[in-house]
Amino acid sequence: DTEVTQTPKHLVMGMTNKKSLKCEQHMGHRAMYWYKQKAKKPPELMFVYSYEKLSINESVPSRFSPECPNSSLLNLHLHALQPEDSALYLCASSPRQNSLLNTEAFFGQGTRLTVV
Amino acid sequence: KNEVEQSPQNLTAQEGEFITINCSYSVGISALHWLQQHPGGGIVSLFMLSSGKKKHGRLIATINIQEKHSSLHITASHPRDSAVYICAVENTDKLIFGTGTRLQVFP
Repeated sequence: DTEVTQTPKHLVMGMTNKKSLKCEQHMGHRAMYWYKQKAKKPPELMFVYSYEKLSINESVPSRFSPECPNSSLLNLHLHALQPEDSALYLCASSPRQNSLLNTEAFFGQGTRLTVV
Repeated sequence: KNEVEQSPQNLTAQEGEFITINCSYSVGISALHWLQQHPGGGIVSLFMLSSGKKKHGRLIATINIQEKHSSLHITASHPRDSAVYICAVENTDKLIFGTGTRLQVFP
């Protein structure tokens, strides 16, 4: 299994809702990433988990809360989002965070989030 | 100025044409990735390079570390190659993305 699976594929939520995005991989990768991508822009890194510990938080607002319950799962909890948070949220994994040389990053299909 | 620059930003081609997409970067890197993103959003990793050249089917990627430049070539292009191609470099423990090249191949 060489896939990163993200659910849901699409999500529409109100500004007062609480929702979660899920990401799963079974490749034994120990680094997992959340990216945010606005239309026609490159992905922007949000969070990195390495060995299930948060290692990078790119000054992301607290209305985004990541969680890594185990080495295969990565969640992104959403609360009190703003319309400008509407974007494609991509999850990725790699064998390890540092020394990425000669390894590939695997990306999920993304969750297209619309905040209304 | 972006740390990773791609050219061209947009590219149209007729089916069968040879295509080249360029990537220049200004930071030290440990590796460079070429990624493909289709309109649905999913990103596929095409190549990971640290030196030289790699080939996979109709795709060829080269990198010149001294010149801080990489190219992605597509031979015998096909409409299904239509996508956004993104160059991303590994710098310390992050990927820095280029702005992408939007390719459309017409039959």
